[in-house]
Amino acid sequence: AQTVTQSQPEMSVQEAETVTLSCTYDTSESDYYLFWYKQPPSRQMILVIRQEAYKQQNATENRFSVNFQKAAKSFSLKISDSQLGDAAMYFCAYSGGGADGLTFGKGTHLIIQP
Amino acid sequence: DAMVIQNPRYQVTQFGKPVTLSCSQTLNHNVMYWYQQKSSQAPKLLFHYYDKDFNNEADTPDNFQSRRPNTSFCFLDIRSPGLGDAAMYLCATAEKSTYEQYFGPGTRLTVT
Repeated sequence: AQTVTQSQPEMSVQEAETVTLSCTYDTSESDYYLFWYKQPPSRQMILVIRQEAYKQQNATENRFSVNFQKAAKSFSLKISDSQLGDAAMYFCAYSGGGADGLTFGKGTHLIIQP
Repeated sequence: DAMVIQNPRYQVTQFGKPVTLSCSQTLNHNVMYWYQQKSSQAPKLLFHYYDKDFNNEADTPDNFQSRRPNTSFCFLDIRSPGLGDAAMYLCATAEKSTYEQYFGPGTRLTVT
């Protein structure tokens, strides 16, 4: 079974600074998908960024980028120019593709200091 | 806007009293999922539908059932809720080309 590990229960960053959230995963598959989801206090889960394992290029979405290291099974999220609205719980998630559900890590609570 | 809608947002039920949670979508996605998220924990997949095909996770209790009468709607039935079933229940959808999942706002279930 696949597992996803987020070793940072909580992170704090100053507004406008850069922060990196860590995620490692375990799988025996060679093709899969990785995601970062954001869950603000309102609780609606929002997709931040996705990465296909067969793509070597790291995904980027505006201020959000990932560092995908397939051999190390590592998938970190970098948030540049942090904003107050980035404060949320961030979940790293794995999917084997197809209609498989997501396997989530335990989440990292991100605090933005004004 | 196309979206995933969950009703009600908050549900209180009594121990052992059956309860149904509802999810609808305007995205016309093939796949619908139900996740259980207990306080301060990660969401856990209960089951999903691919069109009309039902797929149950191996460790989902028999107390949890689901129905999908059409593409737009999916229901989660809890036959005899226990105190341990108090949680946020998240519905998500995905369409079959990308399988990116779109989540609804969730229903917070309280069992008294």
